[in-house]
Amino acid sequence: QVQLQESGPGLVKPSETLSLICTVSGGSTSSFCLNWIRQPPGKGLEWISYICGSGNTNYNPSLKSRVTISVDRSKSQSSLKLSSVTATDTAVYYCAGWSEQKWAFDIWGQGTMVTASS
Amino acid sequence: EIVLTQSPGTLSLSPGERATLSCRASQSVNSKHLAWYQQRPGQAPRLLIYGASTRATGVPDRFSGSGSGTDFTLTINRLEPEDFAVYSCQHWDRSPPLTFGGGTKVEIK
Repeated sequence: QVQLQESGPGLVKPSETLSLICTVSGGSTSSFCLNWIRQPPGKGLEWISYICGSGNTNYNPSLKSRVTISVDRSKSQSSLKLSSVTATDTAVYYCAGWSEQKWAFDIWGQGTMVTASS
Repeated sequence: EIVLTQSPGTLSLSPGERATLSCRASQSVNSKHLAWYQQRPGQAPRLLIYGASTRATGVPDRFSGSGSGTDFTLTINRLEPEDFAVYSCQHWDRSPPLTFGGGTKVEIK
């Protein structure tokens, strides 16, 4: 059974770059599209980006200029970088696996809280 | 960009009652691409319904999804204590982004 686990610093200073890792266990990063989704405290879910086994990527237009997504297949990891963070980037960040058969996210990591503050 | 509007924002009900949650799209969407998630406090979302009406693996049959076009509904029959949570709808489209509704909180009355 595929499992996802996010990791990274819980605190990032404004104007700096947020960097997170999603580690895939029990499966291959090549077999599905890995997505990053965030949720500010008390608010709804916001899709950020995805990277697929083919290498295809896609981004939320509102964040595209600040987002870099990559995958390291040798480590079964995906990386998310979000530059020039502000307080509005404070959120729980999730990685999630997309099912092309279901057109939905059917695997989720537990999420990691990131606070943008000095 | 397709906007998903969920209503009500909060639903106050008692265990054993029926919950009816709405997700309205700003334009007609393919029901194959409409999903619902449950999120309990402090937990990640969990896929409940995909293709507007198909229950995900392990989801009890008291959960049902319906709808087409712009109007979709999640119904929870006979609310159990573990069903009090936030429910979000989500849609996929060719043009980014993937969108989520703002969520409906089902709380104990």
